[in-house]
Amino acid sequence: DAGVIQSPRHEVTEMGQEVTLRCKPISGHDYLFWYRQTMMRGLELLIYFNNNVPIDDSGMPEDRFSAKMPNASFSTLKIQPSEPRDSAVYFCASRVGGTGNTIYFGEGSWLTVV
Amino acid sequence: LAKTTQPISMDSYEGQEVNITCSHNNIATNDYITWYQQFPSQGPRFIIQGYKTKVTNEVASLFIPADRKSSTLSLPRVSLSDTAVYYCPMNRDDKIIFGKGTRLHILP
Repeated sequence: DAGVIQSPRHEVTEMGQEVTLRCKPISGHDYLFWYRQTMMRGLELLIYFNNNVPIDDSGMPEDRFSAKMPNASFSTLKIQPSEPRDSAVYFCASRVGGTGNTIYFGEGSWLTVV
Repeated sequence: LAKTTQPISMDSYEGQEVNITCSHNNIATNDYITWYQQFPSQGPRFIIQGYKTKVTNEVASLFIPADRKSSTLSLPRVSLSDTAVYYCPMNRDDKIIFGKGTRLHILP
């Protein structure tokens, strides 16, 4: 199995630009999660989907952030406009539904906004 | 949704047994207890999971007391390669909530 695949691995962009992060979950997994990691705040849950439907987006920091999952094999996290404080590692993760099932993470997208 | 609580950092030496304890004060009946490990520049990965008593696999042991309000991850005979951040996330229904984890630093 290829695991959770994220792109880009690294991105440097200027403040005000739009950033789109992409994720392909593990085939057969019906839950997809987006996390953000910084030294100050640790690993924060931004939003998660079940069967392509957003279930809880209470962790999304503000309206500049949006996430979509058009089908079972693809999700995007978009930041528009980006700001320097958005600099972080963004992780996508997926799992099979059911109590106690393990979550699998991608390698992360390292975002720097200058 | 309250998070779990664990020490911010720990140091140990190669060959020692390391025990990291996590507080699960708000654990619910259906919640499993899981631990993850994260190396620099990688995503967290699953180590071990349990519901109660003791679980052991090839990597670690997990001790859970009867009241399930805490858990202890035990790493036997650690090596330099065990230097990482260890998490005991809150598992609640569909959500998996991570905190800052415990930074374990293994010294030679």
